[in-house]
Amino acid sequence: DAGVIQSPRHEVTEMGQEVTLRCKPISGHDYLFWYRQTMMRGLELLIYFNNNVPIDDSGMPEDRFSAKMPNASFSTLKIQPSEPRDSAVYFCASSLTGRGYEQYFGPGTRLTVT
Amino acid sequence: GDSVTQMEGPVTLSEEAFLTINCTYTATGYPSLFWYVQYPGEGLQLLLKATKADDKGSNKGFEATYRKETTSFHLEKGSVQVSDSAVYFCALSDPGKDTGRRALTFGSGTRLQVQP
Repeated sequence: DAGVIQSPRHEVTEMGQEVTLRCKPISGHDYLFWYRQTMMRGLELLIYFNNNVPIDDSGMPEDRFSAKMPNASFSTLKIQPSEPRDSAVYFCASSLTGRGYEQYFGPGTRLTVT
Repeated sequence: GDSVTQMEGPVTLSEEAFLTINCTYTATGYPSLFWYVQYPGEGLQLLLKATKADDKGSNKGFEATYRKETTSFHLEKGSVQVSDSAVYFCALSDPGKDTGRRALTFGSGTRLQVQP
């Protein structure tokens, strides 16, 4: 069974550009999470969805960040406009109700904003 | 609110040494506890878990016991290998009053370096 898939794996962009990160959760999972990892702040939860509906977006840093989940098999995290301080590794994770609270992580997208 | 505190790293050990990484937590309810491992350039992988007091999670020679009285979930391994070099994260899930809440609270991570 395929794990969580993220694309792209690496993204380098210039300040002010729009960036879109993509995630495909494990088939059948009903929760999807977006995290950001930096050396300074560690692993931060940005937002999570249940059955495609955003449940908690309190971790989204500011209005430049937005996330959508148009269907059960796809989610995007968009940054517009991007800034150098957004440079980080962004992880997507998914989980399944009734299987405990464990989450399964994708390989991450390393974003560099110059 | 909920929090997880891990020992600061890096932890540097020789191969076959005994490993302990300390983890303590605060939670309002009855959390489930997890250890995740992150190898260089990869995402986090679930290593082991425990869902109630006195449960012992184990996997790949690692183990951790859920100690409610000391609010701890220390990770141990009897004999580490070079391939165990990674960052280890302790985490909890505590729905509290909101039984639908699924977010995990992570510790800051502990880097383990095993030397041959």
